[in-house]
Amino acid sequence: GAGVSQSPSNKVTEKGKDVELRCDPISGHTALYWYRQRLGQGLEFLIYFQGNSAPDKSGLPSDRFSAERTGESVSTLTIQRTQQEDSAVYLCASSLAGQGGTDTQYFGPGTRLTVL
Amino acid sequence: QKEVEQNSGPLSVPEGAIASLNCTYSDRGSQSFFWYRQYSGKSPELIMSIYSNGDKEDGRFTAQLNKASQYVSLLIRDSQPSDSATYLCAVKRGSTLGRLYFGRGTQLTVWP
Repeated sequence: GAGVSQSPSNKVTEKGKDVELRCDPISGHTALYWYRQRLGQGLEFLIYFQGNSAPDKSGLPSDRFSAERTGESVSTLTIQRTQQEDSAVYLCASSLAGQGGTDTQYFGPGTRLTVL
Repeated sequence: QKEVEQNSGPLSVPEGAIASLNCTYSDRGSQSFFWYRQYSGKSPELIMSIYSNGDKEDGRFTAQLNKASQYVSLLIRDSQPSDSATYLCAVKRGSTLGRLYFGRGTQLTVWP
């Protein structure tokens, strides 16, 4: 596709429910990143994938958060037993990540998650 | 100390003026620097990247990097109302893969 796509664009859920957020990176981009942006805040790193492996998971805030990527394309971020503090916009980015390349990250439109 | 800090703003300039946005970072090993623009309710879009000391110009935008002072800035010449947005400074420790460290952003308003 032309850019990074994410679905759903909006998700409202009740506290304690599980949610899945999806990201489709730019075609050919091997690196994929998840960030979170709470209202009025900067972007907070969650996890990134190079291919199907995740070299850096250090930003995942708790074990309720997990992510996977299959086929070097689509990634899913899963939040179990959602809490109100999980409410945020979840942003996905992808990059070409070529050898010696500059790894510029391009962002998708985000998923706005609201936990009631 | 935060990894990336930006002048708090908000910044308000008249149309046609130069807007100056500043950013400092704490990790001296940082090698890649980016400015993103984020309109309200939208996702960040890349404006400029810079990797070497000095200035880099792209149209009305100039990024300046001083690694010795751990400082990166963005100048917007001939500011337009359409430039009104939040500008995010992002830093990466390496030149290839890795997470971005973001500042909290500076909100810019350009008034006609």
